[in-house]
Amino acid sequence: GQSLEQPSEVTAVEGAIVQINCTYQTSGFYGLSWYQQHDGGAPTFLSYNGLDGLEETGRFSSFLSRSDSYGYLLLQELQMKDSASYFCAVRDGGDSWGKLQFGAGTQVVVTP
Amino acid sequence: DTAVSQTPKYLVTQMGNDKSIKCEQNLGHDTMYWYKQDSKKFLKIMFSYNNKELIINETVPNRFSPKSPDKAHLNLHINSLELGDSAVYFCASSQEEGWPEAFFGQGTRLTVV
Repeated sequence: GQSLEQPSEVTAVEGAIVQINCTYQTSGFYGLSWYQQHDGGAPTFLSYNGLDGLEETGRFSSFLSRSDSYGYLLLQELQMKDSASYFCAVRDGGDSWGKLQFGAGTQVVVTP
Repeated sequence: DTAVSQTPKYLVTQMGNDKSIKCEQNLGHDTMYWYKQDSKKFLKIMFSYNNKELIINETVPNRFSPKSPDKAHLNLHINSLELGDSAVYFCASSQEEGWPEAFFGQGTRLTVV
């Protein structure tokens, strides 16, 4: 089987930095994606790490360590509009090829 | 111009009824999916189609039947609706199987009463 673990909720103030960790256990592994979902909205793609290292996209960065089965999403200069759920998702392999499996999501609450 | 559109956005129906949700993508993608999101926001894949062919069928009751008339459309028909089917259903598409970037429709909130 496979599993992804991420914290259920993180609260931070505007302007702060938040790191959302994701650990995974899969039979095969082809990369880690991150998605954002606002309440009542659709999940939207943020970033993807297929190789170890840091990927930066504006205020958001994502990191992957394949040897540690671990990744994180870093949200910098937090804004109120960043209040949302953030999901890590694994592109699996083996019998699960073709499947994008999502973690349970981390609710990020940004306060003034 | 919406990339992935699904209808209806809201669906309220009684137990035992049959209902359908339609999905269309105009991105030219090969792969389409149905996901179910429960009240705890857990997103679980139900089905995946690649070029109109079923490639993933998770452990979903056979009351749920997807149909893909062409690679731009993936509809979901649900028979004999149950209270536990209440959830938000998302259609999504990606360039190919297992592609890390998927585009989601706006969701259909199904409430079974």
